[in-house]
Amino acid sequence: DSGVTQTPKHLITATGQRVTLRCSPRSGDLSVYWYQQSLDQGLQFLIQYYNGEERAKGNILERFSAQQFPDLHSELNLSSLELGDSALYFCASSVPSGGYNEQFFGPGTRLTVL
Amino acid sequence: SQQGEEDPQALSIQEGENATMNCSYKTSINNLQWYRQNSGRGLVHLILIRSNEREKHSGRLRVTLDTSKKSSSLLITASRAADTASYFCATVWVGDKLIFGTGTRLQVFP
Repeated sequence: DSGVTQTPKHLITATGQRVTLRCSPRSGDLSVYWYQQSLDQGLQFLIQYYNGEERAKGNILERFSAQQFPDLHSELNLSSLELGDSALYFCASSVPSGGYNEQFFGPGTRLTVL
Repeated sequence: SQQGEEDPQALSIQEGENATMNCSYKTSINNLQWYRQNSGRGLVHLILIRSNEREKHSGRLRVTLDTSKKSSSLLITASRAADTASYFCATVWVGDKLIFGTGTRLQVFP
């Protein structure tokens, strides 16, 4: 158990809908990262938050947004869903160190868009 | 898009054999990390090697890094059935974000 929790585990929805994925980082970790894993794109970094502020952005679509709340949990919002958004979405947390710390990954949310 | 490629894409070996996976990347790095993923589950950190290091060991794992060739290798010695998983290299250049390779699926037969 990494100490990072994600809910829900599975999500099935239809095209055009909006969903929210939730992540609680390890106790004490200020940084939260979101990654997407799909068959065609592999594992991709989406976005990083540090203590409530956006720190880095990757290949995140404009239809996707995220935020980190004062209690450090984070939410990833996916809207106007398309079939191609079906993927595993991982959250990770760490103590930021300029990249020298390992990241602890949650179990993921499997999103299926029908 | 991903930083680099891993080779082989898939590897099948018997228990007790060694497994070697290679990772090539495209840009400068701060450090390179290896992660393991069991069947669609979360990733687990295995080892980190800094850009100024050439080799690192952790238990049955040995990682090498050649920055001139922009490549790294992960050796798992005396493999066990429990090592069956996908293995990913991930590079760090700016900040903390991980840029993952394509992964190697390792199958260890008892």
